[in-house]
Amino acid sequence: DGGITQSPKYLFRKEGQNVTLSCEQNLNHDAMYWYRQDPGQGLRLIYYSQIVNDFQKGDIAEGYSVSREKKESFPLTVTSAQKNPTAFYLCASSINGGREGNIQYFGAGTRLSVL
Amino acid sequence: LAKTTQPISMDSYEGQEVNITCSHNNIATNDYITWYQQFPSQGPRFIIQGYKTKVTNEVASLFIPADRKSSTLSLPRVSLSDTAVYYCLVGDWAAGNKLTFGGGTRVLVKP
Repeated sequence: DGGITQSPKYLFRKEGQNVTLSCEQNLNHDAMYWYRQDPGQGLRLIYYSQIVNDFQKGDIAEGYSVSREKKESFPLTVTSAQKNPTAFYLCASSINGGREGNIQYFGAGTRLSVL
Repeated sequence: LAKTTQPISMDSYEGQEVNITCSHNNIATNDYITWYQQFPSQGPRFIIQGYKTKVTNEVASLFIPADRKSSTLSLPRVSLSDTAVYYCLVGDWAAGNKLTFGGGTRVLVKP
Protein backbone atom coordinates (compact mmCIF):
# COMPACT_ATOMS: atom_id res chain seq x y z
CA ASP A 1 0.00 0.00 0.00
CA GLY A 2 1.45 3.34 -1.02
CA GLY A 3 1.00 6.23 1.33
CA ILE A 4 2.17 8.23 4.28
CA THR A 5 2.43 6.74 7.74
CA GLN A 6 2.49 8.90 10.83
CA SER A 7 3.20 7.52 14.28
CA PRO A 8 2.19 7.49 16.98
CA LYS A 9 -1.47 8.39 16.58
CA TYR A 10 -1.58 9.88 20.08
CA LEU A 11 1.35 11.32 22.03
CA PHE A 12 1.68 12.87 25.45
CA ARG A 13 4.43 15.23 26.42
CA LYS A 14 5.59 16.14 29.87
CA GLU A 15 6.78 19.63 30.71
CA GLY A 16 10.34 20.24 29.53
CA GLN A 17 10.42 17.13 27.37
CA ASN A 18 11.29 16.85 23.69
CA VAL A 19 9.16 14.47 21.65
CA THR A 20 9.59 13.23 18.09
CA LEU A 21 6.80 12.54 15.63
CA SER A 22 7.49 10.08 12.87
CA CYS A 23 6.52 10.49 9.21
CA GLU A 24 7.38 7.89 6.56
CA GLN A 25 6.28 7.79 2.92
CA ASN A 26 6.67 5.18 0.20
CA LEU A 27 5.34 7.32 -2.63
CA ASN A 28 8.84 8.17 -3.87
CA HIS A 29 8.07 11.85 -3.35
CA ASP A 30 10.91 14.35 -3.08
CA ALA A 31 9.01 16.95 -1.05
CA MET A 32 7.66 16.56 2.47
CA TYR A 33 5.85 18.93 4.81
CA TRP A 34 4.79 19.31 8.44
CA TYR A 35 1.65 21.19 9.47
CA ARG A 36 0.05 22.03 12.77
CA GLN A 37 -3.73 22.27 13.17
CA ASP A 38 -5.43 23.76 16.22
CA PRO A 39 -9.11 23.05 16.95
CA GLY A 40 -11.43 24.71 14.45
CA GLN A 41 -8.54 26.23 12.53
CA GLY A 42 -6.81 25.64 9.23
CA LEU A 43 -3.38 24.07 8.81
CA ARG A 44 -0.22 26.08 9.44
CA LEU A 45 3.10 25.14 7.86
CA ILE A 46 5.91 24.31 10.31
CA TYR A 47 8.72 23.03 8.08
CA TYR A 48 9.11 21.69 4.59
CA SER A 49 11.77 19.83 2.65
CA GLN A 50 11.97 19.72 -1.12
CA ILE A 51 14.97 17.41 -1.30
CA VAL A 52 17.00 15.13 0.95
CA ASN A 53 19.37 16.89 3.35
CA ASP A 54 17.64 20.23 2.88
CA PHE A 55 14.69 21.81 4.67
CA GLN A 56 13.16 25.24 5.14
CA LYS A 57 11.23 26.96 7.90
CA GLY A 58 7.56 27.49 7.38
CA ASP A 59 5.34 30.04 9.08
CA ILE A 60 5.57 28.69 12.65
CA ALA A 61 8.96 26.94 12.98
CA GLU A 62 9.88 28.25 16.44
CA GLY A 63 10.07 25.44 19.00
CA TYR A 64 10.29 22.72 16.35
CA SER A 65 13.12 20.95 14.54
CA VAL A 66 13.31 18.50 11.65
CA SER A 67 15.78 16.37 9.76
CA ARG A 68 15.70 14.88 6.26
CA GLU A 69 18.42 12.25 6.08
CA LYS A 70 16.39 9.87 3.90
CA LYS A 71 13.92 10.50 1.10
CA GLU A 72 11.28 8.41 2.84
CA SER A 73 11.49 9.98 6.28
CA PHE A 74 10.87 13.45 7.73
CA PRO A 75 10.68 13.34 11.54
CA LEU A 76 9.51 16.36 13.52
CA THR A 77 10.79 17.10 17.02
CA VAL A 78 8.66 19.25 19.28
CA THR A 79 11.14 20.79 21.67
CA SER A 80 10.64 22.10 25.19
CA ALA A 81 10.87 25.60 23.70
CA GLN A 82 7.42 25.10 22.15
CA LYS A 83 5.26 26.31 25.03
CA ASN A 84 1.91 25.41 23.54
CA PRO A 85 2.43 22.13 21.69
CA THR A 86 -1.06 20.69 22.10
CA ALA A 87 -2.37 20.29 18.55
CA PHE A 88 -3.02 17.91 15.68
CA TYR A 89 0.13 17.43 13.57
CA LEU A 90 -0.08 16.46 9.93
CA CYS A 91 2.66 15.30 7.59
CA ALA A 92 2.33 15.47 3.82
CA SER A 93 4.37 14.72 0.73
CA SER A 94 4.32 15.65 -2.94
CA ILE A 95 6.39 15.42 -6.06
CA ASN A 96 8.71 18.37 -6.48
CA GLY A 97 7.81 20.87 -9.15
CA GLY A 98 5.24 21.30 -11.85
CA ARG A 99 1.48 21.36 -11.57
CA GLU A 100 1.32 18.15 -9.55
CA GLY A 101 3.86 19.52 -7.10
CA ASN A 102 0.99 21.48 -5.62
CA ILE A 103 -0.96 18.32 -4.75
CA GLN A 104 -0.04 17.09 -1.30
CA TYR A 105 -0.85 13.68 0.14
CA PHE A 106 -1.45 13.63 3.87
CA GLY A 107 -0.96 11.15 6.65
CA ALA A 108 -3.58 10.38 9.31
CA GLY A 109 -2.01 12.74 11.82
CA THR A 110 -0.61 12.66 15.35
CA ARG A 111 -2.52 14.25 18.20
CA LEU A 112 -0.12 15.69 20.77
CA SER A 113 -1.20 16.63 24.26
CA VAL A 114 0.67 18.01 27.25
CA LEU A 115 0.44 16.16 30.56
CA LEU B 1 1.43 34.98 -1.47
CA ALA B 2 -2.17 34.88 -2.69
CA LYS B 3 -4.74 35.14 0.06
CA THR B 4 -8.04 33.34 -0.24
CA THR B 5 -11.45 34.16 1.19
CA GLN B 6 -14.16 31.52 1.59
CA PRO B 7 -17.47 31.43 3.45
CA ILE B 8 -17.04 30.10 6.96
CA SER B 9 -19.91 27.63 6.71
CA MET B 10 -22.71 26.37 4.47
CA ASP B 11 -25.68 24.09 5.05
CA SER B 12 -27.22 21.87 2.42
CA TYR B 13 -29.51 18.86 2.06
CA GLU B 14 -28.89 15.44 0.64
CA GLY B 15 -29.19 15.32 -3.13
CA GLN B 16 -28.58 19.03 -3.63
CA GLU B 17 -25.67 20.64 -5.42
CA VAL B 18 -23.26 22.59 -3.23
CA ASN B 19 -21.24 25.46 -4.65
CA ILE B 20 -18.41 27.01 -2.64
CA THR B 21 -16.85 30.18 -3.99
CA CYS B 22 -13.32 31.22 -3.12
CA SER B 23 -11.97 34.72 -3.76
CA HIS B 24 -8.29 35.17 -4.61
CA ASN B 25 -7.94 38.68 -5.98
CA ASN B 26 -4.13 38.76 -6.05
CA ILE B 27 -3.55 35.41 -7.70
CA ALA B 28 -0.23 35.28 -9.57
CA THR B 29 0.24 34.21 -13.16
CA ASN B 30 1.87 30.89 -12.23
CA ASP B 31 -0.55 30.01 -9.43
CA TYR B 32 -2.77 26.95 -9.46
CA ILE B 33 -6.06 26.65 -7.58
CA THR B 34 -6.30 23.51 -5.48
CA TRP B 35 -9.15 22.26 -3.28
CA TYR B 36 -8.97 19.82 -0.40
CA GLN B 37 -11.56 18.08 1.78
CA GLN B 38 -10.98 17.32 5.44
CA PHE B 39 -13.01 15.15 7.80
CA PRO B 40 -12.59 15.52 11.58
CA SER B 41 -9.36 14.03 12.94
CA GLN B 42 -8.10 13.12 9.47
CA GLY B 43 -5.61 14.62 7.06
CA PRO B 44 -6.92 16.69 4.14
CA ARG B 45 -7.62 14.88 0.90
CA PHE B 46 -7.03 16.39 -2.55
CA ILE B 47 -10.26 16.96 -4.49
CA ILE B 48 -9.48 18.92 -7.63
CA GLN B 49 -7.04 21.38 -9.16
CA GLY B 50 -7.34 23.89 -11.97
CA TYR B 51 -5.61 26.78 -13.65
CA LYS B 52 -8.34 28.30 -15.81
CA THR B 53 -11.80 27.53 -17.27
CA LYS B 54 -13.53 24.39 -16.04
CA VAL B 55 -12.16 21.15 -14.64
CA THR B 56 -14.27 18.11 -13.81
CA ASN B 57 -13.44 14.81 -12.20
CA GLU B 58 -15.46 11.99 -10.65
CA VAL B 59 -15.91 13.92 -7.41
CA ALA B 60 -16.37 17.60 -8.26
CA SER B 61 -16.18 20.40 -10.79
CA LEU B 62 -14.10 23.54 -10.55
CA PHE B 63 -15.15 26.70 -12.37
CA ILE B 64 -12.57 29.44 -12.89
CA PRO B 65 -13.52 32.69 -14.68
CA ALA B 66 -11.21 34.32 -17.18
CA ASP B 67 -9.77 36.81 -14.69
CA ARG B 68 -8.98 33.95 -12.25
CA LYS B 69 -9.78 36.16 -9.25
CA SER B 70 -12.23 33.62 -7.90
CA SER B 71 -13.11 29.97 -8.28
CA THR B 72 -16.14 27.85 -7.46
CA LEU B 73 -16.05 24.27 -6.28
CA SER B 74 -19.21 22.41 -7.21
CA LEU B 75 -20.21 19.19 -5.44
CA PRO B 76 -23.09 17.50 -7.29
CA ARG B 77 -25.84 15.66 -5.40
CA VAL B 78 -24.21 15.69 -1.97
CA SER B 79 -24.74 12.99 0.62
CA LEU B 80 -24.33 13.00 4.40
CA SER B 81 -20.77 11.74 3.94
CA ASP B 82 -19.82 14.98 2.18
CA THR B 83 -20.09 16.82 5.50
CA ALA B 84 -16.55 18.15 5.92
CA VAL B 85 -14.34 21.23 5.76
CA TYR B 86 -13.31 22.32 2.26
CA TYR B 87 -10.14 24.35 1.71
CA CYS B 88 -9.24 26.49 -1.27
CA LEU B 89 -5.51 27.02 -1.82
CA VAL B 90 -3.78 29.19 -4.37
CA GLY B 91 -0.11 29.17 -5.24
CA ASP B 92 2.68 27.32 -6.97
CA TRP B 93 5.43 25.66 -4.96
CA ALA B 94 7.71 25.47 -7.99
CA ALA B 95 7.57 29.25 -8.32
CA GLY B 96 8.25 29.72 -4.61
CA ASN B 97 4.67 30.76 -3.90
CA LYS B 98 3.69 28.44 -1.08
CA LEU B 99 0.10 27.28 -0.87
CA THR B 100 -1.51 28.26 2.41
CA PHE B 101 -4.46 26.67 4.16
CA GLY B 102 -6.98 29.24 5.35
CA GLY B 103 -9.90 28.54 7.65
CA GLY B 104 -11.86 26.61 5.05
CA THR B 105 -15.62 26.24 4.59
CA ARG B 106 -17.53 23.91 6.89
CA VAL B 107 -20.22 22.19 4.85
CA LEU B 108 -23.01 20.45 6.76
CA VAL B 109 -25.24 18.15 4.73
CA LYS B 110 -28.58 17.48 6.37
CA PRO B 111 -30.93 14.55 5.71
